[in-house]
Amino acid sequence: QVHLVESGGGVVQPGKSLRLSCAASGFIFSRSDMHWVRQAPGKGLEWVAVISTDGSNKYYADSVKGRFTISRDNSKNTLSLQMSSLRPEDTAVYYCAKDVADWGQGTRVTVSS
Amino acid sequence: SYELTQPPSASVSPGQTARITCSGDALPKKYAYWYQQKSGQAPIVVIYEDSKRPPGIPERFSGSGSGTTATLTISGAQVEDEADYYCYSTDISGNHGVFGGGTKLTVL
Repeated sequence: QVHLVESGGGVVQPGKSLRLSCAASGFIFSRSDMHWVRQAPGKGLEWVAVISTDGSNKYYADSVKGRFTISRDNSKNTLSLQMSSLRPEDTAVYYCAKDVADWGQGTRVTVSS
Repeated sequence: SYELTQPPSASVSPGQTARITCSGDALPKKYAYWYQQKSGQAPIVVIYEDSKRPPGIPERFSGSGSGTTATLTISGAQVEDEADYYCYSTDISGNHGVFGGGTKLTVL
C-alpha cells in the first residue's frame, strides 16, 4: 500500500532555509502528481504546492511563491520542498500527499528566533 | 484568490444524518474531495472525485454536488465520526489547490 514518510522538519530562525523530504513507496511514484500541504497549529489545512509526474509543471500557493521550491527525483522515489526566507507564519506540520488522496504523517516545522 | 466555504461547525445526534456543505464557484467544473481529521492525526480522504468512496471507508459516508455546492453526507452518524472535515478542490485552471476552512462535527 501507499507509504509516505516526511522528514527534515525542525526549529529554524526567521529568514533561514530548510529542506523537507518525502520518501515514497508502495506505488509507481513516477505516475503520480505529488503535493505538499501544511497545517499551522490549531488551524486548517493549506495547500502549498504541486508537481507533475515528470517535474515539468510546478504550482504554488501565493503565500509561498518565490520562497518555496518543490522538486522530485523519480529515480529515488523522493519528493522535496526547499523552503527559504522562512517566516514565523510558515510554522506548521507539513504533509506530502499522492494525488491529494494518500498522505504521510507529516513533519513539524517551527520558525522562531 | 479562489476560496471554498464551509460552515465552521455542525452537530448531530448518533444515528442521525449529518450534512456538511462546501461552496465554490468552480465546483461545477472541478472535483471535490472530503477529508476527515481526528485530533492529533493526519487527514484521511473519505470521498474523492465528488462521490467516490475509498476502500475501507464506511458506506455511511457519501458525497454529492449541485451547482456550486458539494455536500458530504454521513448517514447514521456514529460517535467515532466526530472530527474535523475539510473539502478540497482546485481553481478553475486546475493548477492551484484550495481547502475549505473546515467543519468541526460533533456527534452527541
